[in-house]
This record gives sequence, C-alpha cells and structure tokens, in this order.
Amino acid sequence: EDKVVQSPLSLVVHEGDTVTLNCSYEVTNFRSLLWYKQEKKAPTFLFMLTSSGIEKKSGRLSSILDKKELFSILNITATQTGDSAIYLCACIQGAQKLVFGQGTRLTINP
Amino acid sequence: GAGVSQTPSNKVTEKGKYVELRCDPISGHTALYWYRQSLGQGPEFLIYFQGTGAADDSGLPNDRFFAVRPEGSVSTLKIQRTERGDSAMYLCASSSRPWAEQFFGPGTRLTVL
Repeated sequence: EDKVVQSPLSLVVHEGDTVTLNCSYEVTNFRSLLWYKQEKKAPTFLFMLTSSGIEKKSGRLSSILDKKELFSILNITATQTGDSAIYLCACIQGAQKLVFGQGTRLTINP
Repeated sequence: GAGVSQTPSNKVTEKGKYVELRCDPISGHTALYWYRQSLGQGPEFLIYFQGTGAADDSGLPNDRFFAVRPEGSVSTLKIQRTERGDSAMYLCASSSRPWAEQFFGPGTRLTVL
C-alpha cells in the first residue's frame, strides 16, 4: 500500500528560528514529490522534486529529495509568523494521482 | 480564470439528500482531480479526469459518489443519499499535463447533519 509519512506532526517555534520538516515515502511507480502549504483552505504549491540531490529554493524555503533513502526535507530559515500553516508532502505515483502525508502543523510564535 | 474555483464554498445538507459540488479548473488544463480531506488528515484521492473521461476513479468510496466532466472543462462531483461520514472538505485540482504539479481550488466544505 502506498504510504507517505511526515514528521513531526506538529511543531512550535519562535520567529527567526530555522525549521526542518521531514517526509518519507513508499509509493509504487514513484514519479515526483511535491510540497504544499495549506493555511485556511486551498493547498498552495511550493516545490516539485523529481531528481535526487538537487536542491530547489524559493526565498527562505528550500527542499531536497533523496530517492535512494526515499525521503525529502523542507527547510524554512528565518521563520516569520506568516509561515504558520500546515505543510503537506505528496507523491505523484504512476497513475498520476497524489498520495499525501498527514501534514505537519507549524506554528511560529512572535 | 486565474486559478481553480469551486462552488459552493460551504454546503450544509441533511442525511439522505443529494448534493452537487462544482469545480472550474485553470483555463487550458486538461487534467482535473478530486480529493477529500478530513480534519487533521492529508487529502485523499477520489477521481482523475483526462479531458472528458475518468481515467482513474479508484478512490471513489462507493457507488453513491459520481463525477462528470462532459465538455472537458468544468466538473461536478455528485453525492447521492449523503451520510454523516461524507462530511469533509472536497478539493479540486487541475494540471496542464500528465504528472505535472497540481494546483488546488479553495474547496467545498460539506457538512451532513
């Protein structure tokens, strides 16, 4: 059975801290791994990772994929209160559907 | 349009009633997906359309759930004889090509009383 596991499930830090969110997966016919940010409703696309070892970066956020060990990390540096959200990891598998993890709830305190 | 839109944003219905949820994908996106998200969980796949046809409906929980996309653009998710367990956020996503990133709409929160 396809499985995506995120850790931690919940994380509370202070503004300015750096956080690392983890995602491990066991997915048949793996194609790519995606990270989304979900605040109130719609998950917002952050990154899509297809190749192992190539870091993707957008401002204070960065992510990397390890296809040998079957995991990805999402780093956020110099966190701000606006980074508070649920971060979802998902894998595209052979049938093109997304298989999601349960999410990490990140809270940034001022 | 600029993004994926979904209507209604909220729907409250009584057990046993029929509901329709609508999704309008990003213009030109041929692939459309429906997911269901329960509180505290990640979204779960329901059905995927490529053009007008359902390419994968393996996530539909039972035959009370049905979805259509007659002209290859707007899609409607239909739920018959609703049950309290159907209460969830229903999310729609679209993508421009197979295995590309999917962009999500704001969702419809369905509550079955």
